[in-house]
Amino acid sequence: AQTVTQSQPEMSVQEAETVTLSCTYDTSESNYYLFWYKQPPSRQMILVIRQEAYKQQNATENRFSVNFQKAAKSFSLKISDSQLGDTAMYFCAFMLDSGGGADGLTFGKGTHLIIQP
Amino acid sequence: NAGVMQNPRHLVRRRGQEARLRCSPMKGHSHVYWYRQLPEEGLKFMVYLQKENIIDESGMPKERFSAEFPKEGPSILRIQQVVRGDSAAYFCASSPQDSSVTGELFFGEGSRLTVL
Repeated sequence: AQTVTQSQPEMSVQEAETVTLSCTYDTSESNYYLFWYKQPPSRQMILVIRQEAYKQQNATENRFSVNFQKAAKSFSLKISDSQLGDTAMYFCAFMLDSGGGADGLTFGKGTHLIIQP
Repeated sequence: NAGVMQNPRHLVRRRGQEARLRCSPMKGHSHVYWYRQLPEEGLKFMVYLQKENIIDESGMPKERFSAEFPKEGPSILRIQQVVRGDSAAYFCASSPQDSSVTGELFFGEGSRLTVL
């Protein structure tokens, strides 16, 4: 079974600062996907960024980037120039690539990120 | 193009009653997933369905919970004889047939069940 660990229950930074959220996972598989989802107070789950395990290059989406260390099973999220709208719960998630269809996500417990004005 | 639609958004039930949560996947999506989120927790996988088939129900409690995704109409998560511990947010997600290529699920806004 796969596990995802987020060791930071809550983080708080000033607006415009850079913040890094940590995530580690455990699996014996080699083909999988990793995700960061954002859950604002509206509670909808919004995909922030995705990384395919077979890709060595770190994914980037505008102000969001990841540091994917496959050997260390680490997948941290960096948010640059943080904005008030970034305040939310952030969940790291793991999904096996079964080849025949997605098998569902395994989520960490989340990090509550607060951006202070 | 509407996203994943869940209803009701909020549902209140007394202990022993039945709860039915509905999910209409995105247009063109044939895979549906149900997740449960308890307070201060991440989402926990419950069940994965395709049209008229349950593919993986390893996260579903053995009793009182059932799910279906009929040929026509929304997917339904049914909880019989609800107890207070069933109070949670239930999220539905969908993916297209070739989700193994993108690995991405699209989530609805969730249904919050409160059991009195």
